Amino acid sequence: DTGVSQDPRHKITKRGQNVTFRCDPISEHNRLYWYRQTLGQGPEFLTYFQNEAQLEKSRLLSDRFSAERPKGSFSTLEIQRTEQGDSAMYLCASSLADRSFYGYTFGSGTRLTVV
Amino acid sequence: AQTVTQSQPEMSVQEAETVTLSCTYDTSESNYYLFWYKQPPSRQMILVIRQEAYKQQNATENRFSVNFQKAAKSFSLKISDSQLGDTAMYFCAFMTAQYNFNKFYFGSGTKLNVKP
Repeated sequence: DTGVSQDPRHKITKRGQNVTFRCDPISEHNRLYWYRQTLGQGPEFLTYFQNEAQLEKSRLLSDRFSAERPKGSFSTLEIQRTEQGDSAMYLCASSLADRSFYGYTFGSGTRLTVV
Repeated sequence: AQTVTQSQPEMSVQEAETVTLSCTYDTSESNYYLFWYKQPPSRQMILVIRQEAYKQQNATENRFSVNFQKAAKSFSLKISDSQLGDTAMYFCAFMTAQYNFNKFYFGSGTKLNVKP
């Protein structure tokens, strides 16, 4: 198992464009999480899935953001009509539901720059 | 609400020496978990050490140990025999244990530079 994979590693986009990021979790992990990390700050929770169900969303996740996890495998995070304030690193993580309190396995993130 | 505070934005240490990173947190929960994660330039968050709040004994993992003071809501990380590979951002994190969903609350991080 190669761990949690995120693609792309970097994304530069113009304001107003839509972007989509992909996360491939560890295959046996049924929980998948998205966090956002802005410059100089720690990661902040955005949303999480248990299998294919999206169970909680942060208020940080405006209606321009949508996340999916079809078939409970990989997940995508889409941002529509990007704004400069969306510039950040988007981290994906996964865990087993009954072992989540042991911590998550994180990916290396997708760094988004909106120009 | 849960908050985590790391008051040292940046620290430096000579190789082979010992350094301590500070972390305080605020919560009304009685049971929770505390973590230190390391984020090197490769960007992947790597778990360094974990502490269960109901355990009085401080966690240790090889060169890494914590000083957990529950009453003071303090959770510092001590790195002994610092190595160049320890250079990274270090994040203190809090996780609740009361609900089915365990969410992390992270501090703003401490950048550690290990000098040769």
